[in-house]
This record gives sequence, structure tokens and C-alpha cells, in this order.
Amino acid sequence: AQSVTQPDIHITVSEGASLELRCNYSYGATPYLFWYVQSPGQGLQLLLKYFSGDTLVQGIKGFEAEFKRSQSSFNLRKPSVHWSDAAEYFCAVGESQYSGGGADGLTFGKGTHLIIQP
Amino acid sequence: DGGITQSPKYLFRKEGQNVTLSCEQNLNHDAMYWYRQDPGQGLRLIYYSQIVNDFQKGDIAEGYSVSREKKESFPLTVTSAQKNPTAFYLCASTDNTEAFFGQGTRLTVV
Repeated sequence: AQSVTQPDIHITVSEGASLELRCNYSYGATPYLFWYVQSPGQGLQLLLKYFSGDTLVQGIKGFEAEFKRSQSSFNLRKPSVHWSDAAEYFCAVGESQYSGGGADGLTFGKGTHLIIQP
Repeated sequence: DGGITQSPKYLFRKEGQNVTLSCEQNLNHDAMYWYRQDPGQGLRLIYYSQIVNDFQKGDIAEGYSVSREKKESFPLTVTSAQKNPTAFYLCASTDNTEAFFGQGTRLTVV
């Protein structure tokens, strides 16, 4: 069965500093990987996704993620965070390029809560 | 504007009652999903539907029921058999490129 681990429950970063959120996955076949962001009481917004090809993926809001098959990781990065980046971030893995997860939905990590210090 | 609409935003239920959460999409998507979100637990799949008049159980379907009579609509009923229904519920639909989420319904048992 597939699984996703986000080791950091909370991360605090100063505004303007760089950010890296960790994500490790377990999946037998080629994974389809996603990062979502959620503001309090809101739905999820897709930041970026990886299906194949270039292992460095660019997303919205200045985020990027790097797929490393040897480490089963898909870490999210941003060179300089803004106060508006404070939110909950979820990494997810799916069985299909259809980012709802194809046949049976996405498997999500438990999320990382990002706090931005002024 | 196209999107997914969940209603109501907040819902209170007395113990022993069934309640139905609405999810409507005008994106012409075939596939729709219901997820449950609990603090520190991420999202867990309750039910999904790939096509009208067909749906499958997800990881935590016990105590829930769904219907898919129209492409646009995928309502979720939280039955009295669900022992711990207080949670944030998210509906999603997908096309061939991306999943779109509604704004969620927060259900509280009082």
C-alpha cells in the first residue's frame, strides 16, 4: 500500500528566509506526486505535481519540488518565504496522472504547518 | 465561474441524526471524491465516484453513504452509525490534469 510521510508537523521560518518541507513516500510503481496548500478553514490548492521527466518541478507562488527516486523523496522548496505563505502543506501520492488519484483517490501525508516569523 | 461548491460551510448535528453534505461542480468532471480531514491526520478518502450511478468505498467508508444520480452532484450522508463524525469534510473532482477541491464543510456533533 502506498503511504506518505511528512516528518515535520510544524516548521517556523523567518520572513525572507528559505524554506524546505520534507516528504517521503512509499509506493511500488512509478509515483505521481503532488503538493497542496491549505489556508485555515479552506479547501486545498495544488502547488505543483510530478508525473515524469525533469525531476525539478516548478509550481505556483514561487515553489519548486525535486523528485529523488533513490531517496523516495519529493521535498518542497521556496527561496524566500512571504508572510502569506503561512498555511498547512500536504504532500500526496496517486496511482495515476489524473491528480485526483485516478481510480482510488490520493494518499495524503499528515501535513506540515508552516509558521512565518516577522 | 467554474468550480466546486460545498454547502453548508458549518453544520451541527445532534447525536443519532443523519445529515447530508452537499457537493456540486460545474466543471463537467466525471470523477468526484469525498475526503475527511482531522487535525494532524491529513486527508482520508471516504468515497469516490468515477461515473454517474457508480461509486466505490474509500479507506474510511463505514458510517457514510453517497449517491451519484447526476454528474454535477455527489452528496455525502453522515449516518448515525458514524461514531465520531466531527471533522472537516472536503469534496473534490478531477479532470485529466488536476484535482479541484471545494471549500469544505465543518461538521460538529452537539
